[in-house]
Amino acid sequence: QIQLVQSGPELKKPGESVKISCKASGYTFTDYAMHWVKQAPGKGLKWMGWINTYTGKPTYADDFKGRFVFSLEASASTANLQISNLKNEDTATYFCARETGSSDWFAYWGQGTLVTVSS
Amino acid sequence: DIQMTQSPASLSASLGETVTIECRASEDIYNGLAWYQQKPGKSPQLLIYNANSLHTGVPSRFSGSGSGTQYSLKINSLQSEDVASYFCQQYYDYPYTFGAGTKLELK
Repeated sequence: QIQLVQSGPELKKPGESVKISCKASGYTFTDYAMHWVKQAPGKGLKWMGWINTYTGKPTYADDFKGRFVFSLEASASTANLQISNLKNEDTATYFCARETGSSDWFAYWGQGTLVTVSS
Repeated sequence: DIQMTQSPASLSASLGETVTIECRASEDIYNGLAWYQQKPGKSPQLLIYNANSLHTGVPSRFSGSGSGTQYSLKINSLQSEDVASYFCQQYYDYPYTFGAGTKLELK
């Protein structure tokens, strides 16, 4: 069965960096793009962008250009999200979500990774 | 960016009742709309895609409708396990955007 398993919660200080992983299984990793979604505590969902898992090319929503980097370890069927120079407002749960192949509704989600930024 | 205005923000209903949640897009999204259910501490679960297609395994009491800029999610015969937050998402154009969510509680 298709699974997306994310890395565990992180506690970081402002200015530090964090890397979140999303390991896929149950399908051919390079056949489907991976998207990232942010959810601040008690808030709604915000689409961050996506990465083409075949070419490695990332596309970022405007609010996530600069400090956010999507990357791949294709041999390990893993997508990564790295956030640098962390700010308090980066405190959130980050989800990876897989596209369906025909369009970008998300039938498969990771369990989410909580990143807490606090001094 | 396409703005998704979701209403109501919260909803209280009784078991067995029918509830409707609405999303209005700031421009025509040509049925590029999905609905998700999210329970506390869990990831969103897909309910509806292409505005009115029921995702595999989702109970038939959930249905989606609409076109153009106006879309709705209907839950017939509300069950206790339907207590959750619900979000719409447009995937017609980048950046993909979500509604602010509707928190559904039991009366």
